[in-house]
Amino acid sequence: DAGVTQSPTHLIKTRGQQVTLRCSPKSGHDTVSWYQQALGQGPQFIFQYYEEEERQRGNFPDRFSGHQFPNYSSELNVNALLLGDSALYLCASSEQGFRGYTFGSGTRLTVV
Amino acid sequence: SQKIEQNSEALNIQEGKTATLTCNYTNYSPAYLQWYRQDPGRGPVFLLLIRENEKEKRKERLKVTFDTTLKQSLFHITASQPADSATYLCALPPGNAGNMLTFGGGTRLMVKP
Repeated sequence: DAGVTQSPTHLIKTRGQQVTLRCSPKSGHDTVSWYQQALGQGPQFIFQYYEEEERQRGNFPDRFSGHQFPNYSSELNVNALLLGDSALYLCASSEQGFRGYTFGSGTRLTVV
Repeated sequence: SQKIEQNSEALNIQEGKTATLTCNYTNYSPAYLQWYRQDPGRGPVFLLLIRENEKEKRKERLKVTFDTTLKQSLFHITASQPADSATYLCALPPGNAGNMLTFGGGTRLMVKP
């Protein structure tokens, strides 16, 4: 049973560019959450998607947007990249009757 | 505002000893608390969930306590092994509805053989 799959694993972008990160949730999970984790810090909540809609959002600017597809997979888009956006981006899936997240291995984004 | 504090300094212990990690929170009344393990360059892995009406929970060599009066959770690993070396994160749901989690900064555990 595949867990959460994220792509790509690593990415280097230039300041001002746009990036799209992808996530396939664990089989049977219908909710996808995205987190940003800077080096040496805990994950910071970006937003959560359920039934193809953004259900909750953390303290991130509108440059961060997302989407959930009918098959529950999700994308995270970041526009106008800043150097400070360099981080590990984690996707986590969960199900109703939440008992914990299943995380992917993340996408390491470097903005130069 | 809601705040979660974990000791940012690494915890170094000898193999076979018990490791104890602390998670303190303020301005919260969470219905539950979770602990995760994270290895370098990998996503966190869910370990344990403890509810507000549970004082203690165990899973193999792991034990978690939850004191809602002190607003503190303790995470114990007994008979620690070098393979237990990792960063351990505590996480709580926000005060509003929803199943998103807020994470602490994590504590790095190093178990020396």
